[in-house]
Amino acid sequence: DTAVSQTPKYLVTQMGNDKSIKCEQNLGHDTMYWYKQDSKKFLKIMFSYNNKELIINETVPNRFSPKSPDKAHLNLHINSLELGDSAVYFCASSQDPREKGYTFGSGTRLTVV
Amino acid sequence: GDSVTQMEGPVTLSEEAFLTINCTYTATGYPSLFWYVQYPGEGLQLLLKATKADDKGSNKGFEATYRKETTSFHLEKGSVQVSDSAVYFCALKSPDYKLSFGAGTTVTVRA
Repeated sequence: DTAVSQTPKYLVTQMGNDKSIKCEQNLGHDTMYWYKQDSKKFLKIMFSYNNKELIINETVPNRFSPKSPDKAHLNLHINSLELGDSAVYFCASSQDPREKGYTFGSGTRLTVV
Repeated sequence: GDSVTQMEGPVTLSEEAFLTINCTYTATGYPSLFWYVQYPGEGLQLLLKATKADDKGSNKGFEATYRKETTSFHLEKGSVQVSDSAVYFCALKSPDYKLSFGAGTTVTVRA
């Protein structure tokens, strides 16, 4: 039933590790996004894919690599994790975002120790 | 680039008080404007939206009017409840599909 689902919900890992966060939407939307929310609740877009094609790629370290195997999935892989990567990562999707905005997942809280 | 500036918090209110959260935007063209709400431990939910000037978005007792002349989209609620305690985000959609968020305003309503 969940429209946009992310896994895992919590992720605790050591510096230097590589980890992935998965996102799936069952809404039939064409566009998916990754946002990062820092400890002050500030939200910043990282990437966006439209029908598996990268359309937004903000200034993000190249340790972050999105992958979209199909338009219902957008995964985020992070190499060589750093302390500053600790944040909540939100996946979202949209169809005609001007009218309907985005549907967000419940977030993945990443803690790098 | 397009951006949103919203009132800094935190805001603490008593139940049944009037809530206003100011939001102003800078954009080329005519963006769509949104308010999102994030309850503790949850993701963001769309609260209301407006897609053109003078549109009023409303939901759950909250209202916001798209004011082109003042480039504003202030959120208001006449009588808040404890359950309205959350972080509220003003957002603007740019033509490139990107949704830009304000810094968020934490609202706490006391019984």
